[in-house]
Amino acid sequence: GAGVSQSPSNKVTEKGKDVELRCDPISGHTALYWYRQSLGQGLEFLIYFQGNSAPDKSGLPSDRFSAERTGGSVSTLTIQRTQQEDSAVYLCASSLEGTSSNEQFFGPGTRLTVL
Amino acid sequence: AQSVTQLGSHVSVSEGALVLLRCNYSSSVPPYLFWYVQYPNQGLQLLLKYTSAATLVKGINGFEAEFKKSETSFHLTKPSAHMSDAAEYFCALLTYSSASKIIFGSGTRLSIRP
Repeated sequence: GAGVSQSPSNKVTEKGKDVELRCDPISGHTALYWYRQSLGQGLEFLIYFQGNSAPDKSGLPSDRFSAERTGGSVSTLTIQRTQQEDSAVYLCASSLEGTSSNEQFFGPGTRLTVL
Repeated sequence: AQSVTQLGSHVSVSEGALVLLRCNYSSSVPPYLFWYVQYPNQGLQLLLKYTSAATLVKGINGFEAEFKKSETSFHLTKPSAHMSDAAEYFCALLTYSSASKIIFGSGTRLSIRP
């Protein structure tokens, strides 16, 4: 693919519902990142996958948040029992090796609105 | 702990004027620093990055940034603003951890006056 893709582009849900956000990284990129962009909080790191290593989940804000990466490619971010404060744009990024100097390529994001 | 501070949440300049977006960082180890741009309803795009090679870094669209260790700064400049430069700009720092996760500044919205 040409770049990182994310789906859906927009998601509106009711408080208490579960949502799944999908990220397709650039083919061949071994590292995948999720970030959240919300008003008043800026951009914050959520979780990082690198190859077959255990993911770094240190940025997940609560145990309602989880993420998987199947087959080292596609990733799904799941938010259970959504709350209004979960409303934000969720950005996914991928990079070639996950080392410090490698550029992270960002997808267009999923705008989540929790009513 | 590493951190990034962007001074000014909103900067407005006239078309053709100098653009200066300020970024200061805090890091206990030599940092990698980045500037990203985000156009409305789009993802982040890398403008330029500092990786300890040259202190003056040139990026896309005529932007450049200078790494000044003594001032812990990485300000973004462009000699002459274009209307198409209107966007949100983020300064970012890469941590020296296994995660290689980026720490972003709070962003500066650049507006261009005709």
